[in-house]
Amino acid sequence: GAGVSQSPRYKVAKRGQDVALRCDPISGHVSLFWYQQALGQGPEFLTYFQNEAQLDKSGLPSDRFFAERPEGSVSTLKIQRTQQEDSAVYLCASSWAGGRPYEQYFGPGTRLTVT
Amino acid sequence: GDSVTQMEGPVTLSEEAFLTINCTYTATGYPSLFWYVQYPGEGLQLLLKATKADDKGSNKGFEATYRKETTSFHLEKGSVQVSDSAVYFCALSADKLVFGAGTILRVKS
Repeated sequence: GAGVSQSPRYKVAKRGQDVALRCDPISGHVSLFWYQQALGQGPEFLTYFQNEAQLDKSGLPSDRFFAERPEGSVSTLKIQRTQQEDSAVYLCASSWAGGRPYEQYFGPGTRLTVT
Repeated sequence: GDSVTQMEGPVTLSEEAFLTINCTYTATGYPSLFWYVQYPGEGLQLLLKATKADDKGSNKGFEATYRKETTSFHLEKGSVQVSDSAVYFCALSADKLVFGAGTILRVKS
C-alpha cells in the first residue's frame, strides 16, 4: 500500500513569506507526528496528533509554527513569516495506534530553504 | 531530559568488514530503543527495535542489544555490503521519539 507522502518535496521561500507543508499519512493511521531535521542532525520532535486532536505541541519552536489535522487524516504544518533558521527538512510520520512506542512510518520529507 | 548520543561519522569500511556504531542514551523510566536508517534520497525506515532490557533487535543482518546497565544500544553487523551505505540514527521512545545526530556509513567495494 501507499506510504506516507509529503508535498511539496522542495520549497524555497523568501524570508518573511508564509509556507504550508502537507502530509498524507498511511490510511487508517491514528497518530501523526511532525519533526524538523536540520542539516547534519537527527530529527527533532515538533508536534503530535491522535486523530484530529493535537495532544503535544511542545516541540514547536515559536508561535510562528502551527499545525492542524482537521479531519484526522491529512495534516498541514504552517510556518508564518519564515526566517533563515527555519531552513530544514520537515518530516512527517504516522503510526497505526495511539501511544508512542509503536513503529512510526516516515515520509520523504519537505526540504525548506529560506533565502 | 531524554537524549541519545551516537558515534560521529563518517564511518568508512571495506565490503565484508565488521560494523559497530555506538549508541548510548539518557532517559528516565524504561524507554524503547530503535535504530532507523536513511538511504540516499529516501525517508527514514525502522531497522530494528528493542522494548525492554536484554532484548535483542535484529533485521537484515544487523543486530543491537538493549543494555540497561550500560545504557547502550550499539548497532552491529558482521559483514557489511556496499548497499548498507546510509545514515543510521539511534532513537529512544519514552513519550516521544528522541533521535541521535546520525552516523554516516560508507562501504567501499
